[in-house]
Amino acid sequence: GQQVMQIPQYQHVQEGEDFTTYCNSSTTLSNIQWYKQRPGGHPVFLIQLVKSGEVKKQKRLTFQFGEAKKNSSLHITATQTTDVGTYFCAADRGSTLGRLYFGRGTQLTVWP
Amino acid sequence: ETGVTQSPTHLIKTRGQQVTLRCSSQSGHNTVSWYQQALGQGPQFIFQYYREEENGRGNFPPRFSGLQFPNYSSELNVNALELDDSALYLCALKGTSHNEQFFGPGTRLTVL
Repeated sequence: GQQVMQIPQYQHVQEGEDFTTYCNSSTTLSNIQWYKQRPGGHPVFLIQLVKSGEVKKQKRLTFQFGEAKKNSSLHITATQTTDVGTYFCAADRGSTLGRLYFGRGTQLTVWP
Repeated sequence: ETGVTQSPTHLIKTRGQQVTLRCSSQSGHNTVSWYQQALGQGPQFIFQYYREEENGRGNFPPRFSGLQFPNYSSELNVNALELDDSALYLCALKGTSHNEQFFGPGTRLTVL
C-alpha cells in the first residue's frame, strides 16, 4: 500500500517555540493532505498540497511538499496552547476514490 | 462544515456481539467513507460507499460491512466483535474541491 511514515511521534515544546513534523513516503505521492485532531476530537482537514516543491502558509503554519513528491512537512512558528493536538499527514491514491492513507501522527504538547 | 453526525457517541460491547454504527449529514453527500482509528494510530480506511454501492475496501475482514441509504445516511456493521475492534470509528464525507475528508465526531467502541 501507499504508506506514509511520520516523525516524530511526540513533541513537547514551550509556548513560543517552533514545531515541525515530517512525513515521508517510499513512493511518489500524487498529493498530500494534513489534518489536525484535538484531544478527544476528530481529524479536521487543514490543507492539500499537489505540486512538486509547493509551499503554502496558513497564518503561523507552513506546509511544504518535497521536490520529489515523496516528503512533506508542517512547521508551526511560535506555538500557542491552542496548537495542542495530533497532526496527521495523509496520502491520496490519486484517484477520485478519496481513500486516504494516514501517517501515525505527531502528538504536540505545548507548555504555557 | 458539513454537519456530519454519528451515533452513538460511545458504545460498550462484549466479544462475539454485533454492532451497528450510524452516520448522517445535513447536506446530501453521495460518497461516504468509514475509518477505524485505534488508540495512538492514524485513521485506517475500512470502505467507501458511493450512491449506495461499496466503492473500495481496505484491509478489513468481511465481518465489517456497510450500507448507504437513498438519503445518503450510512451504517457500519461489525459482526463477531473482537477485542482489537475497540477503536474510534469515523465516517467521512468527501470534499467537493479536493479529495479531502470531512470527518464526523466518531463513535468510541469498547469491546470487553
